[in-house]
Amino acid sequence: DAGVIQSPRHEVTEMGQEVTLRCKPISGHNSLFWYRQTMMRGLELLIYFNNNVPIDDSGMPEDRFSAKMPNASFSTLKIQPSEPRDSAVYFCASSPYRAGGELFFGEGSRLTVL
Amino acid sequence: QKEVEQDPGPLSVPEGAIVSLNCTYSNSAFQYFMWYRQYSRKGPELLMYTYSSGNKEDGRFTAQVDKSSKYISLFIRDSQPSDSATYLCAMMRDMSNAGNMLTFGGGTRLMVKP
Repeated sequence: DAGVIQSPRHEVTEMGQEVTLRCKPISGHNSLFWYRQTMMRGLELLIYFNNNVPIDDSGMPEDRFSAKMPNASFSTLKIQPSEPRDSAVYFCASSPYRAGGELFFGEGSRLTVL
Repeated sequence: QKEVEQDPGPLSVPEGAIVSLNCTYSNSAFQYFMWYRQYSRKGPELLMYTYSSGNKEDGRFTAQVDKSSKYISLFIRDSQPSDSATYLCAMMRDMSNAGNMLTFGGGTRLMVKP
């Protein structure tokens, strides 16, 4: 199995630009999670999908952030407009379990907003 | 106060040493306890998983949970340079409800020197 695939691995953009991060979960996994990791705040859950339906988006920091899961094999996290404080590593994870627990993480997308 | 506290380290030990990594938590409802290992520039991967109190051993790794003290530990015997990574504890209330999310500690960076 290829594991969770994220793209791009690195993104450098300027403040105000739109950023789209992509994720392909492991086939057969029903749950998908987007996390953000920074030195200051550690791993923060942004949003969680179960069977392609958003269950909890309370971690999305503000309206500039949006996430979609149009089908079981693809999800996007969009930031529009981006700001320097959005600089972080964004991880996508999938799980075969409804409530998560055992998460399989991708290698992350490192975002730098100048 | 964070719900899950973990000393960020770094913790530096010589090869062959016994390593003790710890987390404290405040929510007595947590029942599932996990340790994730994260190598530099990679996503976290599940290392150990325990339910409720007690010990669990897997090779050189032992996970210990003391619910009465709200304290969990991960012991690594005969530590190797390849164990150098950040170790994150994580916990959740139950597996049955989609609304229950994993709560992560901030991670402890471990360095094992040859």
